[in-house]
Amino acid sequence: DTAVSQTPKYLVTQMGNDKSIKCEQNLGHDTMYWYKQDSKKFLKIMFSYNNKELIINETVPNRFSPKSPDKAHLNLHINSLELGDSAVYFCASSQGFDLNEQFFGPGTRLTVL
Amino acid sequence: GQNIDQPTEMTATEGAIVQINCTYQTSGFNGLFWYQQHAGEAPTFLSYNVLDGLEEKGRFSSFLSRSKGYSYLLLKELQMKDSASYLCAVILNSGNTPLVFGKGTRLSVIA
Repeated sequence: DTAVSQTPKYLVTQMGNDKSIKCEQNLGHDTMYWYKQDSKKFLKIMFSYNNKELIINETVPNRFSPKSPDKAHLNLHINSLELGDSAVYFCASSQGFDLNEQFFGPGTRLTVL
Repeated sequence: GQNIDQPTEMTATEGAIVQINCTYQTSGFNGLFWYQQHAGEAPTFLSYNVLDGLEEKGRFSSFLSRSKGYSYLLLKELQMKDSASYLCAVILNSGNTPLVFGKGTRLSVIA
């Protein structure tokens, strides 16, 4: 069984469009994350979220917004896509914030044309 | 700001031992992770260190010195499948970025 799943695996879209990436975890974890990995393979956290608290990396543009319908899901919505948004986006989950292994989803490769 | 340094690339021979270093200067420290990431795949957890010393896990070991802001990942009996990127990540005490990753070290294992 897949622990952390993301859809779609690949997403190709035009500049200016709005798109969403979905993430689901079946591990019973209370904390979920979104990461962006750019072309230089630098992995950078965008959001961390549990039932109580959303922590936003202040460098993330407000065109990006996480949406959590329930504890097992954390979707990423992106408005007005730009060329620089092209990257691989990873969802992850853990039990609590600290000192706990994060389990990563398979990634979504976003290409903005 | 947060700064985590790792070598960009390393090459080692099958069967050998390789040490991948990570130094960090961060505003707070609550532990350090090592992740392995094969090309085109998600990162997978290898180890974490909270206290000074060596943590051993099969062919992989990770060392931490909090006073020196230094960690290393030691891979023994290298196999071709160990060719991957190795990411060092620091858990901060608080703030808007609770986990900060280094840029990763791409390890190539050659015959």
